[in-house]
Amino acid sequence: DTAVSQTPKYLVTQMGNDKSIKCEQNLGHDTMYWYKQDSKKFLKIMFSYNNKELIINETVPNRFSPKSPDKAHLNLHINSLELGDSAVYFCASSEMSGKTDTQYFGPGTRLTVL
Amino acid sequence: AQSVTQLDSHVSVSEGTPVLLRCNYSSSYSPSLFWYVQHPNKGLQLLLKYTSAATLVKGINGFEAEFKKSETSFHLTKPSAHMSDAAEYFCVVRKGAQKLVFGQGTRLTINP
Repeated sequence: DTAVSQTPKYLVTQMGNDKSIKCEQNLGHDTMYWYKQDSKKFLKIMFSYNNKELIINETVPNRFSPKSPDKAHLNLHINSLELGDSAVYFCASSEMSGKTDTQYFGPGTRLTVL
Repeated sequence: AQSVTQLDSHVSVSEGTPVLLRCNYSSSYSPSLFWYVQHPNKGLQLLLKYTSAATLVKGINGFEAEFKKSETSFHLTKPSAHMSDAAEYFCVVRKGAQKLVFGQGTRLTINP
């Protein structure tokens, strides 16, 4: 009964490959997010979707493409992986209830690009 | 613009002693502030949040934080540290409708 789940938990791949990370939430939330945590533990938002529509798109290379097939899922596809993409990627979700909504985070996916 | 600064990158305390993790915020309006905790190799868990109700906010695991507008601070405290509190702690401010801006994190170490 995990609220926000991500797969895989660990992903090791070669430079130049294409990979996807999947996220699912069973909280009935309208909004989902992707965050990147770098090696210094700094967390930064990448994308946000509300009811399958993109609402936040930070300055992220267009090699990163989020896809939301329905409001319970937000997947992250990364093309032509680079060494600098190595990080922990967190998915999160929240209700669209205005100022007081809380974001619930998944367990993270540790991506290592060799 | 909304931002937070965590004043200590690393705090070390003895088990059973008080914990103080400091956070200052910058906001052009009344902010929504949060503290999240990240245990080693785990996801982020919400400890507590301030949303312009009571200035003293109680969270899980005995943590609390006080919103002080005059000092633009939102420090996290706990009266007595436990070994299980060892983790990375993030002070967070909401920017806009949904965007969270994270502080740099404070690593809390508990000495036996």
